[in-house]
Amino acid sequence: DAKTTQPPSMDCAEGRAANLPCNHSTISGNEYVYWYRQIHSQGPQYIIHGLKNNETNEMASLIITEDRKSSTLILPHATLRDTAVYYCIVRVLGYSGGGAEGLTFGKGTHLIIQP
Amino acid sequence: KAGVTQTPRYLIKTRGQQVTLSCSPISGHRSVSWYQQTPGQGLQFLFEYFSETQRNKGNFPGRFSGRQFSNSRSEMNVSTLELGDSALYLCASSTWGTDTQYFGPGTRLTVL
Repeated sequence: DAKTTQPPSMDCAEGRAANLPCNHSTISGNEYVYWYRQIHSQGPQYIIHGLKNNETNEMASLIITEDRKSSTLILPHATLRDTAVYYCIVRVLGYSGGGAEGLTFGKGTHLIIQP
Repeated sequence: KAGVTQTPRYLIKTRGQQVTLSCSPISGHRSVSWYQQTPGQGLQFLFEYFSETQRNKGNFPGRFSGRQFSNSRSEMNVSTLELGDSALYLCASSTWGTDTQYFGPGTRLTVL
């Protein structure tokens, strides 16, 4: 799986959009970009994933650059409940839930929403 | 639909003992993965089961083992516990052919 680089921490004001960047310059053509988050002491939560087109769901939007070397997760109206560690993961779509080696989590970005 | 459940939520053991943790996946999910999370090493993949067979394994010693039952429920076992096994053990389930994993709340294991 391609390696990702994320800032260790970010702040965002409540009600504003939170934009979390992720660099994955070595991503290969068949690797997807996944985002998970982990609220303190809970299990990680799936947010969104994409291959090359921008994606949006009820939680967030994922913007992938045209060369696919970086992406941005956007939480449109951040709330205090969005304070969490956000993980960007790139991987080939596995043949089953875990794929060849399971999800590889880096250190992620600790997003702190300020009131 | 009920989420992934894990039991027990908290556990305290002493060195040398063994422990069994249980995971019930989301109904219809046949793949179950286990992860260990520690402050020092972060989230690390232990193993994955699908249709009662271990499909993938992370880089952990043989003291860590698991199994999956015909109803897709899974257990993991750690034998001869060491202090370093203190961690949050997470279970995740998913459906065949997807990489979207749904995690349970975890079991917090403390080894004294």
